[in-house]
Amino acid sequence: AQKITQTQPGMFVQEKEAVTLDCTYDTSDPSYGLFWYKQPSSGEMIFLIYQGSYDQQNATEGRYSLNFQKARKSANLVISASQLGDSAMYFCAMRPFYGQNFVFGPGTRLSVLP
Amino acid sequence: NAGVTQTPKFQVLKTGQSMTLQCAQDMNHEYMSWYRQDPGMGLRLIHYSVGAGITDQGEVPNGYNVSRSTTEDFPLRLLSAAPSQTSVYFCASRKGQGNGELFFGEGSRLTVL
Repeated sequence: AQKITQTQPGMFVQEKEAVTLDCTYDTSDPSYGLFWYKQPSSGEMIFLIYQGSYDQQNATEGRYSLNFQKARKSANLVISASQLGDSAMYFCAMRPFYGQNFVFGPGTRLSVLP
Repeated sequence: NAGVTQTPKFQVLKTGQSMTLQCAQDMNHEYMSWYRQDPGMGLRLIHYSVGAGITDQGEVPNGYNVSRSTTEDFPLRLLSAAPSQTSVYFCASRKGQGNGELFFGEGSRLTVL
């Protein structure tokens, strides 16, 4: 069975600073994908970034990057130059390549301070 | 492109009532799923489907039924609502093959009194 752990229930960051949201995962599958989603106060789920377990380089999408450390089973999300609009819940998720279903972590609530 | 459409967005039920949450997607995705979101617990999988006519249980299926008669639609039925089913429900879909992400509906907030 897969499990996602996000140990930071809440985080604060100053506007324009970088912030790292932690995610560790547990799986026995050799191949899997890791995903991050953002949920603003309006409630929708917004896909941010994807990392495959065999990808050699860390994924980046604009101000988002994924710090992937396979041996440590961690997939931390780094947001550079935080903006007020980054205030939201952030969920880490995983799906084995040969499975159908995603497993989500409990989420981290990020608050960006002006 | 509408993506994943869920209705209703809000619903209040009394204990014991039944209702159906509707979900439709127009992306020809084979995989569809229902999650519930509760504070501190992330999203938990209720039921999923890998194609028309095929459904299976997720992590928390009790009290819910699903069917998949078409590729587009995946309704979630609450047979006899209980206060423990008060939650936010999300429908999500993705292509059956490849490593693509889940596409989510906007969510449905259900309160059972």
